Amino acid sequence: GAGVSQSPSNKVTEKGKDVELRCDPISGHTALYWYRQSLGQGLEFLIYFQGNSAPDKSGLPSDRFSAERTGGSVSTLTIQRTQQEDSAVYLCASSRGWDGELFFGEGSRLTVL
Amino acid sequence: RKEVEQDPGPFNVPEGATVAFNCTYSNSASQSFFWYRQDCRKEPKLLMSVYSSGNEDGRFTAQLNRASQYISLLIRDSKLSDSATYLCVGQMEYGNKLVFGAGTILRVKS
Repeated sequence: GAGVSQSPSNKVTEKGKDVELRCDPISGHTALYWYRQSLGQGLEFLIYFQGNSAPDKSGLPSDRFSAERTGGSVSTLTIQRTQQEDSAVYLCASSRGWDGELFFGEGSRLTVL
Repeated sequence: RKEVEQDPGPFNVPEGATVAFNCTYSNSASQSFFWYRQDCRKEPKLLMSVYSSGNEDGRFTAQLNRASQYISLLIRDSKLSDSATYLCVGQMEYGNKLVFGAGTILRVKS
């Protein structure tokens, strides 16, 4: 498809389990972002990839969170030993890199029981 | 202090009203600004960029005041379909990450 694709769209897991969330950005977009959004809250920045530069990981809330972007395209966000406070919608977005237009995926809704 | 701050609202206005939102930013080096719109349970989408000279797109006008470090969004002749959360976004440097404000909720009622 032409847009940003995220999977899974919904994930329910038990506390303590690891989860992986995937993002397929728009082809050719050099910048890729991960944000999370809790119900009724704003977007919380997690991590930012721009081309071949070192990622900006300043928003990752703890060392349980990590992300990688392989081949400058697909990205995976991994949350280890999930906690209930990790429950949120995780949004991925990509952009051409030089302007402010982000194209968001529909998000992955994570529920930690 | 948050990098980008907004009044969360909600702003409840009747159809046809004019409504304005402000957003302040903490980093005077911030270069670029944008307004995004987010509908309930949907992903955010770019509404408009904000230029120093101000810019207008139909009923929407965005302005930037660098001296006071705020940006504004003015919506004229509000429609029911304008009901959404409006997100202020700043980019500190060209090519750097985009930082979102928490959003301002607008509810337009008939």
